[in-house]
Amino acid sequence: QKEVEQNSGPLSVPEGAIASLNCTYSDRGSQSFFWYRQYSGKSPELIMSIYSNGDKEDGRFTAQLNKASQYVSLLIRDSQPSDSATYLCAAIMDTGRRALTFGSGTRLQVQP
Amino acid sequence: DVKVTQSSRYLVKRTGEKVFLECVQDMDHENMFWYRQDPGLGLRLIYFSYDVKMKEKGDIPEGYSVSREKKERFSLILESASTNQTSMYLCAIGGPPNEQFFGPGTRLTVL
Repeated sequence: QKEVEQNSGPLSVPEGAIASLNCTYSDRGSQSFFWYRQYSGKSPELIMSIYSNGDKEDGRFTAQLNKASQYVSLLIRDSQPSDSATYLCAAIMDTGRRALTFGSGTRLQVQP
Repeated sequence: DVKVTQSSRYLVKRTGEKVFLECVQDMDHENMFWYRQDPGLGLRLIYFSYDVKMKEKGDIPEGYSVSREKKERFSLILESASTNQTSMYLCAIGGPPNEQFFGPGTRLTVL
């Protein structure tokens, strides 16, 4: 079974710190990776996508992809209490199917 | 702005009822998906569609069917609702390059 793995947390960081969220995936042929943020009781919201090795920055968010290690990460700089949410890592596996395979999510708590 | 709407935010049904969940998009995207989300199990794919009148089974299709008669509308049908189908149901649309956007979700309770 092709999988995406995340540490469930909670990951607790103080306000203003860098939060680092990690994800590994089992299918070496995966090409597309995504980070979603989900507040309690709400639907997932796409915050970052990454397709090639290296870093991709968007405001306070940086996604990092290392295909050799089958590893994706999300860094949140200057963390704010409003960043407290569950972060879902997702990938499109090399199955010819365009649907996402999701990790179980990491709960982030930013302490004021 | 991407707009995906789902017919209900909250729904309560009885065991054995036929349940229709509707998803409508205004983005003219071809790909539409139905997921369910449960604590401890995460998001799981039920069915998806790449075009009108086309459907493909996801990972957990048992007990569900779908209909896509128009490009903008993708319906999930619970033929005979059971208590183990109590869940949050999420519709998503997919555009290039494979990014998916979710609707607000329907929290279904089957009594």
